[in-house]
Amino acid sequence: IAGITQAPTSQILAAGRRMTLRCTQDMRHNAMYWYRQDLGLGLRLIHYSNTAGTTGKGEVPDGYSVSRANTDDFPLTLASAVPSQTSVYFCASSDSATSGEQFFGPGTRLTVL
Amino acid sequence: AQSVTQLGSHVSVSEGALVLLRCNYSSSVPPYLFWYVQYPNQGLQLLLKYTSAATLVKGINGFEAEFKKSETSFHLTKPSAHMSDAAEYFCAVRVSGNKLVFGAGTILRVKS
Repeated sequence: IAGITQAPTSQILAAGRRMTLRCTQDMRHNAMYWYRQDLGLGLRLIHYSNTAGTTGKGEVPDGYSVSRANTDDFPLTLASAVPSQTSVYFCASSDSATSGEQFFGPGTRLTVL
Repeated sequence: AQSVTQLGSHVSVSEGALVLLRCNYSSSVPPYLFWYVQYPNQGLQLLLKYTSAATLVKGINGFEAEFKKSETSFHLTKPSAHMSDAAEYFCAVRVSGNKLVFGAGTILRVKS
């Protein structure tokens, strides 16, 4: 593993189903983030975690939950998917002791039908 | 609240021409500013960052940006566009809690 990995790469999901997007980093960064990217809206922060064991809400947290049991992993869960959650999801990490530069994963393309 | 505005959702230039992508920010404190690039079907990659040092920041792939406090701007430039520069570019500002706020993005098209 080098950097940030996300799984799955893409997924088609029926509305109402539960889905967990996985994110793992090997840089030992203390902070991790989940964004969604939608055309014309840029990236919007869903949830974040400044250190293992803590999480916080971003700009668009409704319908999503996260956990941070350890430094490396930061899964994002959609408890009951809806079509408006169709998007591309990016995980990122940073070392908050530096300038705050964030490193991004390759993304997960999620379609909710 | 801190925010970023990118002027122009699409910019088209000819190969070899100057690239200018505009970014204005709103911040009540000295900002940390970033430019990221996203190639199709990939994640974001850092181009350059401003962290209160030199106002002219040089990044990868020949890009640079100048921080102008009086204009609250951080425009991205490159003297000569290459076909490989075609991508989407995002400006971002660091806010409290070590988070980033992103602009809506500018898609750069390079014509041969």
